Amino acid sequence: DTGVSQDPRHKITKRGQNVTFRCDPISEHNRLYWYRQTLGQGPEFLTYFQNEAQLEKSRLLSDRFSAERPKGSFSTLEIQRTEQGDSAMYLCASSFRDRPQETQYFGPGTRLLVL
Amino acid sequence: SQQGEEDPQALSIQEGENATMNCSYKTSINNLQWYRQNSGRGLVHLILIRSNEREKHSGRLRVTLDTSKKSSSLLITASRAADTASYFCATPKDTGRRALTFGSGTRLQVQP
Repeated sequence: DTGVSQDPRHKITKRGQNVTFRCDPISEHNRLYWYRQTLGQGPEFLTYFQNEAQLEKSRLLSDRFSAERPKGSFSTLEIQRTEQGDSAMYLCASSFRDRPQETQYFGPGTRLLVL
Repeated sequence: SQQGEEDPQALSIQEGENATMNCSYKTSINNLQWYRQNSGRGLVHLILIRSNEREKHSGRLRVTLDTSKKSSSLLITASRAADTASYFCATPKDTGRRALTFGSGTRLQVQP
């Protein structure tokens, strides 16, 4: 169990550029989540996958945001035409379906700064 | 206030003292989780308490849950400088939903 990993850990981009983040969940976990966290706040839910199916999306996930999990393993989160308000920490988490009252395990996050 | 609000927002104590943080929530839940976050890092899961449990222990951590008051508390005993972090409670958005709702956290500073 190597834990949830995220890449890159830091990203600086200019407004209007597109960025893509990757998340590799714990290997046997079939559920994967994306959250966003701004300074001084708790994480806010963005979207959730069970295997390759995207089952839930928050209203925070505007049409500039898209997430995929093509083979039910790693996931990508893309932000198109970035805005300064997108600056935040993007956290990925995974969990195992068959565990009752499942715990979500978080990765180290990708910190995005939009200039 | 949001589902899962922590109180106090900030807490500063001396090493060796106990730290107590509280969390209030609004809707019915089937579990409540506590996480720790060191500055600029990801969240580390500390403990999960089910709705039919009243108290749970893990090492120096003690969590209580009062579903009638929709509140939970996290007690860290004999605190250490390494306990300095932000602590969040998290609850499912709705019963049966997978997404978690977090409060804005309690920032704990343990002075050596």
